[in-house]
Amino acid sequence: AQSVTQPDIHITVSEGASLELRCNYSYGATPYLFWYVQSPGQGLQLLLKYFSGDTLVQGIKGFEAEFKRSQSSFNLRKPSVHWSDAAEYFCAVGGGSYIPTFGRGTSLIVHP
Amino acid sequence: DADVTQTPRNRITKTGKRIMLECSQTKGHDRMYWYRQDPGLGLRLIYYSFDVKDINKGEISDGYSVSRQAQAKFSLSLESAIPNQTALYFCATSDGGKKSYEQYFGPGTRLTVT
Repeated sequence: AQSVTQPDIHITVSEGASLELRCNYSYGATPYLFWYVQSPGQGLQLLLKYFSGDTLVQGIKGFEAEFKRSQSSFNLRKPSVHWSDAAEYFCAVGGGSYIPTFGRGTSLIVHP
Repeated sequence: DADVTQTPRNRITKTGKRIMLECSQTKGHDRMYWYRQDPGLGLRLIYYSFDVKDINKGEISDGYSVSRQAQAKFSLSLESAIPNQTALYFCATSDGGKKSYEQYFGPGTRLTVT
């Protein structure tokens, strides 16, 4: 069975600081990995995805994530956070079932 | 116009009432999903449908039913609402032909059962 762990429920950063959100997955084969963002009052929007190839993937809004097979991780990063990045972030893993499994989410708080 | 729409956006109902949440999409996707979101629990899958004739239960289907009226429409029903069904409900779609798993979400329906 596939599963996702997002160890941090909340992350607080100052505007302009760098950001890393952690995601660990469990899946027996090469996973499909995703990061979604949920802004207040809105649905989820795909930030980036990894299927194969280059393990460093670029997404929208200046985000990137790195797939590390040895660590079963897919951490999301951004070099400089903006106040508008405050949102809930979800990591998800997909595999043979074609149904992604979502983590519990990390709430990002940005201080001015 | 939004690709995935949900109606209503907000609903307050009483215990025991039947309620239907509707989802429509213009993306032409064959696969549709219903999730509920509760604080600290992430998204949990209620039902999913890979085409009009294919309906499957997710991890938390008890107390819910669905109807896939057309490729573009997927409705979720609570036959007899109870307070612990108070949650944010999301509809999502994906393109099975691409086998990419990428999902597109509606804006959500906030349901309160009193």
